[in-house]
Amino acid sequence: ETGVTQTPRHLVMGMTNKKSLKCEQHLGHNAMYWYKQSAKKPLELMFVYSLEERVENNSVPSRFSPECPNSSHLFLHLHTLQPEDSALYLCASSQEWGRFNTEAFFGQGTRLTVV
Amino acid sequence: GDSVTQMEGPVTLSEEAFLTINCTYTATGYPSLFWYVQYPGEGLQLLLKATKADDKGSNKGFEATYRKETTSFHLEKGSVQVSDSAVYFCATNTNAGKSTFGDGTTLTVKP
Repeated sequence: ETGVTQTPRHLVMGMTNKKSLKCEQHLGHNAMYWYKQSAKKPLELMFVYSLEERVENNSVPSRFSPECPNSSHLFLHLHTLQPEDSALYLCASSQEWGRFNTEAFFGQGTRLTVV
Repeated sequence: GDSVTQMEGPVTLSEEAFLTINCTYTATGYPSLFWYVQYPGEGLQLLLKATKADDKGSNKGFEATYRKETTSFHLEKGSVQVSDSAVYFCATNTNAGKSTFGDGTTLTVKP
């Protein structure tokens, strides 16, 4: 069991749709992350939250909007996406942001297809 | 900036062969080093880690040693199995909250 749960596992959406990805962790971690994994590209860090505050936003287009209502939940709201946004979106958590000797725990990902 | 360079794949081996996947890094400060594995259709999961020089991380028959002098963290396994087929990622963490991943190396093990 991964400890980090993402829903849905698969999502197909049109370019004019609005949808949300959900991530949940009950590991007691204070930091949560969104990553994008595209075929033949390196893993891209999108957003970092520490204690429910966004601490990093890596030049991500505004059509991606994160939300962290509490330290156990993280959302990624999607609207007017492009086909090139199709990818595996991975959520992760770690004990504490900036704590260099602890690993990240990843969810299984949401496979997003934009049509 | 920080970077992680992994051996390019894909790597194809026969069952029971010896595996090495090379990883070198550049990082500010004194990072911790990790290997993650991603099985088909899954997220990444920690395979092993090392947090200081000369530490050896090990798990499931895989090993890697933190070599500060060569800034390397090569992954090895003495005898691979078909179930080891996956994508392997080398990664660094610094105390500035910076995580850097390599591009991943795809391993296929044939019976």
